[in-house]
Amino acid sequence: NAGVMQNPRHLVRRRGQEARLRCSPMKGHSHVYWYRQLPEEGLKFMVYLQKENIIDESGMPKERFSAEFPKEGPSILRIQQVVRGDSAAYFCASSPPVVHVQETQYFGPGTRLLVL
Amino acid sequence: AQSVTQPDIHITVSEGASLELRCNYSYGATPYLFWYVQSPGQGLQLLLKYFSGDTLVQGIKGFEAEFKRSQSSFNLRKPSVHWSDAAEYFCAVCSRSSNTGKLIFGQGTTLQVKP
Repeated sequence: NAGVMQNPRHLVRRRGQEARLRCSPMKGHSHVYWYRQLPEEGLKFMVYLQKENIIDESGMPKERFSAEFPKEGPSILRIQQVVRGDSAAYFCASSPPVVHVQETQYFGPGTRLLVL
Repeated sequence: AQSVTQPDIHITVSEGASLELRCNYSYGATPYLFWYVQSPGQGLQLLLKYFSGDTLVQGIKGFEAEFKRSQSSFNLRKPSVHWSDAAEYFCAVCSRSSNTGKLIFGQGTTLQVKP
């Protein structure tokens, strides 16, 4: 059973370009979380999605950031018009559909975004 | 506001020595508690978690953690550290009343192991 997959692992963008980060959850998992880790900091929650639904986006910046988890295919975190402050590691985590949402989250290896 | 504090940013221990990493939380009610480890350039791996029951929790790789309600703490321990334990360790919490399961992380503690 493959773990959570993220690609690309490293992404370099120039200011003003778009960044697309992909996350394929573990097989059978229907919940996806995105977290951001700025340099020298812990992870900060961004968004929580289930298939075709955004459940909690309280941690997402109001502008330029969006996320989706379509019925088919990976979850996508999109950052438009990137700025240097977006440089960070972006982690995806997935969890299975269970009664209690506090079920263990399994993390992917992350995408390290560098904005030049 | 809900928060997680890991007071030690860096810790260095000798191989074979014991280890304790501190974690304190500030929450309205006892949350669910987790410890994750992150090796350089890698994602996070769950070491152990506390939901209820026995306050001493056993995890993988020989780690354990003790929940102390009176101190709002969930410290991670290992009796004998191995060089491969060098990594960054994150304490995290999740509200029991959360309908999203989002984790709140501490700032992390970087562990260095001396030969």
